[in-house]
Amino acid sequence: QVQLVQSGAEVKKPGSSVKVSCKASGGTFSNSAISWVRQAPGQGLEWMGGIIPVFGTANYAQKFQARVTITADESTNTAYMELFSLTSEGTAVYYCARDDGSGSYHRLDYWGQGTPVTVSS
Amino acid sequence: QAVVTQEPSLTVSPGGTVTLTCGSSTGAVTSGHYPAWFQQKPGQAPRTLIYDTSNKHSWTPVRFSGSLLGGEAALTLSGAQPEDEAEYFCLLSYDGAQVFGGGTKLTVL
Repeated sequence: QVQLVQSGAEVKKPGSSVKVSCKASGGTFSNSAISWVRQAPGQGLEWMGGIIPVFGTANYAQKFQARVTITADESTNTAYMELFSLTSEGTAVYYCARDDGSGSYHRLDYWGQGTPVTVSS
Repeated sequence: QAVVTQEPSLTVSPGGTVTLTCGSSTGAVTSGHYPAWFQQKPGQAPRTLIYDTSNKHSWTPVRFSGSLLGGEAALTLSGAQPEDEAEYFCLLSYDGAQVFGGGTKLTVL
């Protein structure tokens, strides 16, 4: 059974950065497509980008290309999302999600519990 | 970036049938967009219901089904239950980039 456990809530100052982790258990980690999805308060879902650990190269949505780094550590089955130059727009819940192990970004079969990030001075 | 459109809100009676749709600004939605549908209840993470247009997960209630209808992806709920009241998001794939629709708030009343 696939489980994704994310790191805890964060409070950050504008201009700083935040790094959220997502530890996977069950299934095949290295060949999976792991995505990051943002949800601002009262808003919809936004796909930020993702990574297939065995390939190592992340794939980003155009909007987040310059301000996000997604990485993965195969030794610990953990994916990371780091968001830089935070503004109030960064206040959101950040989810990781992964596929069935087929390396398909369009498959968001399993979801983490979400990590709330608050950006406030 | 493509824009994915959904009805902002819909209402269905208990036991009734409702169809939610998902359109693309680039033209007709096809199986190549790998349409997926997610259910989200307040305070919870989204849950996948449908992937690749019409495939269900083991946890997807039988009353949900996915299809392509008139150039759009569609999620049909047959025999609505009170617990189906939630927000529903569709997801379309565009050459490796994934785009969510704005969501449909479904009321069972």
